[in-house]
This record gives sequence, C-alpha cells and structure tokens, in this order.
Amino acid sequence: QTVVTQEPSFSVSPGGTVILTCDLRSGSVSPRHYPSWYQQTPGQAPRALIYKTDTRSSGVPDRFSGSILGNKAALTISGAQAEDESDYYCMIYTGSHTWAFGGGTKLTVL
Amino acid sequence: QVQLVESGGGAVQPGGSLRLSCAASGFPFSKTDMHWVRQAPGKGLEWVAFMRNDGSDTSYADSVKGRFTMSRDNSKSVLFLQMNSLRTEDTGLYYCATNRGYYAVGEWGQGTLATVSS
Repeated sequence: QTVVTQEPSFSVSPGGTVILTCDLRSGSVSPRHYPSWYQQTPGQAPRALIYKTDTRSSGVPDRFSGSILGNKAALTISGAQAEDESDYYCMIYTGSHTWAFGGGTKLTVL
Repeated sequence: QVQLVESGGGAVQPGGSLRLSCAASGFPFSKTDMHWVRQAPGKGLEWVAFMRNDGSDTSYADSVKGRFTMSRDNSKSVLFLQMNSLRTEDTGLYYCATNRGYYAVGEWGQGTLATVSS
C-alpha cells in the first residue's frame, strides 16, 4: 500500500510565502506520478488547484504554483491571503489506474 | 456548468449494503472517466474507485476491493457505487468526481453521507 505524507499543519502570515510538500514513504515523487493538489475549506467539496505537477486548473490564482522540489511534490502559495486558509491535499498516481491521497495539510493564515 | 449530484447515502448496520448514485450533467458524461473519493468524518480524502468512460476498465482501493462495485449508465448519465459487506470504517462522505485527464480529479460533487454503525 502506497503511503503519501504531508505536513499535518502549517502557518503563514498574510502576504507571506509557504511551501507545502508531498512525499512518498517508499521513494521519490517524480513527474511520472502526475502529482495534483486540491483545496478544501470546511464544509465544502474539494477544489482542484494543480495537475500534472505544475499546471493550474482554470480559475486558480497564479499565486498557487506546483513543482517538484528534490524528491517531493510541492505546492507554493506566494502572497498568501486570508481566504487561502484551508486544508490542502496532494494526490499521486500509483499506476494501473490507482491513486493515493496524502493525509492533508491544514494551513492557517495569521 | 458541470453538475454532479450524489444520492443514496444513509445509515446501515455493519455487514449491510448501500447503493450510491451520482447524476451528472453539463459535460459529455459518456466520454469522461470517473472517480469515487470518500472522506471519513474529520479525516482526509481517500481515493476509492475509478472507471473508464465506456466501463471497460475499473480499479479499486485495496480497502474496498471485493466489496464495492462501480458501474455507470451512460444513456442516463448516472454513476453508481454498490457497497456490500459494509464496515464501520466505511463511514464517510462519498464524492463522485470527474477525471480531468493527466491522472487528476477535475470536478467534484457535494457528496452523500454513508454511516455504518450498529
């Protein structure tokens, strides 16, 4: 079973930059895992942010960007705003049409 | 615009069954691969199942394999998840979602709640 790990929580000041990461316990995350990122605010369905490592979904502000940093997938929020306070999940393609989500990162903006 | 409306959730005892439905509109359902994703109360997202647009290929998470069956009716734009031999750990909000290509989820429904408890 694939285990995907994320920081449980993170805090950023308004206007600041934060990098959330997504790691594979069994090895490195690479573009062949097609990492994607989702934002979920309390009581709402998730919303797609990033797919194929670094491509923003339609309507997503350009302060959100995706990348591979070292051996992890990363979601960078540059110039964080109060409305960015949410849970963020990465999803990794694990082959044969199966996927795994990370445990999620709770981001606080204060 | 894309609409995904799940239904069929409810309360059931362990060992029981539920059949979830997802009515789709606003996009070419018969050309779109689909997912089910669930979320236990207060917990994170868990990928559950995937089906190709024509139903030719289906895959499941190990946690539900052999108990859950995903299907679809392209003539009515409806997606299904038959859940048998339910366990307390299957309790959660079940979302249907589109596959947007490049192995990612695109649009999400609002979810339907399944509660497994004695």
